[in-house]
Amino acid sequence: DGGITQSPKYLFRKEGQNVTLSCEQNLNHDAMYWYRQDPGQGLRLIYYSQIVNDFQKGDIAEGYSVSREKKESFPLTVTSAQKNPTAFYLCASNLLAGGFDEQFFGPGTRLTVL
Amino acid sequence: KNQVEQSPQSLIILEGKNCTLQCNYTVSPFSNLRWYKQDTGRGPVSLTIMTFSENTKSNGRYTATLDADTKQSSLHITASQLSDSASYICVVSSRGAGNKLVFGAGTILRVKS
Repeated sequence: DGGITQSPKYLFRKEGQNVTLSCEQNLNHDAMYWYRQDPGQGLRLIYYSQIVNDFQKGDIAEGYSVSREKKESFPLTVTSAQKNPTAFYLCASNLLAGGFDEQFFGPGTRLTVL
Repeated sequence: KNQVEQSPQSLIILEGKNCTLQCNYTVSPFSNLRWYKQDTGRGPVSLTIMTFSENTKSNGRYTATLDADTKQSSLHITASQLSDSASYICVVSSRGAGNKLVFGAGTILRVKS
């Protein structure tokens, strides 16, 4: 199957802990994105990467970090510096870096801070 | 400020009825407008993408319209089914650095039998 996978589906974190959310795609897409979704709000961009070993901050990057060591993988780390991390996290990708083609989304990870 | 506003916030209709969801945007410069369907607890799935020159596009029972002059779009759902219950998100792409997408908050549609 081709597509974007995210794991885990549900994640629980204690305050003060760092956690890493996985995102993998086998679509051979250049660009990958991380979004955060909160109830009643539109998706907000955390980080994006248009090419391997390069990434840029989105609108709400504080308290998050990413890496892009492989084209297929774009993991997101939620650090203890993120004060309100409970949310639904979505990973997305599209074929062309900077292109205007369709973004495909993964199934999401729901993170809850206990 | 680039914004996408959707209305209504939520909507309940009976199975088999039609409905129309609205999207107003202030994103500039405009590149394209997309409608996504998001089932609860899942990622969004694309329904339509329209560029500046397109004013209507259909995908089965879903028909999207775009008026680039008034910066308005609508999504019309015909003969609704229970499986149409979802959040519908309007997304506008800005022709700027990094292909920035501006997301609306979505309209939550519930179809009742």
